[in-house]
Amino acid sequence: QKEVEQNSGPLSVPEGAIASLNCTYSDRGSQSFFWYRQYSGKSPELIMSIYSNGDKEDGRFTAQLNKASQYVSLLIRDSQPSDSATYLCAVRGLDSNYQLIWGAGTKLIIKP
Amino acid sequence: GAGVSQSPSNKVTEKGKDVELRCDPISGHTALYWYRQSLGQGLEFLIYFQGNSAPDKSGLPSDRFSAERTGGSVSTLTIQRTQQEDSAVYLCASSLGGSGTGGFEQYFGPGTRLTVT
Repeated sequence: QKEVEQNSGPLSVPEGAIASLNCTYSDRGSQSFFWYRQYSGKSPELIMSIYSNGDKEDGRFTAQLNKASQYVSLLIRDSQPSDSATYLCAVRGLDSNYQLIWGAGTKLIIKP
Repeated sequence: GAGVSQSPSNKVTEKGKDVELRCDPISGHTALYWYRQSLGQGLEFLIYFQGNSAPDKSGLPSDRFSAERTGGSVSTLTIQRTQQEDSAVYLCASSLGGSGTGGFEQYFGPGTRLTVT
């Protein structure tokens, strides 16, 4: 059973600090990794994708991938109250065609 | 360009009635997915279509659920004899397909909130 694990939270971070969200996966052959943001009552929105080991930066967001340790993380710098949402980690396995395996999400709360 | 659209946005139905939910994927996207999300829960995969291949129906919870995709574009999810436990938000997503890395990125529609009374 391929799994993607996330801490459900809530993770509370003061405004302006760095929020760190983590995700581990069980399928060692996984190829593609995605972070989605879901505001309450809204649908998930893709914010980052990462395919190779290391860091990928996009504005205030940095995705970090470590395939040897089977984890992927998302850092949010200078956290804003508008970053408060549930963050979903999704992983594409080696043999899963176009399907993604989804984590249950981490609820992030940014406190002003 | 236009994103994924879904209709209706809200649907209230009586237990035992059939409902149809519609999804229009992003133009040119060959893969289409249906998910269900109950209140406060994660995404539950239902079914996905890829090009002209047979759909992967492995996530459909019962034979009351079915889906079709016409002309490789629009998809309809049908729930027959609805039950109260079917109440949820039904989300549709599409992805470009193909072998490039961007082909696996899924883009979601706004969802249909189904309430079975």
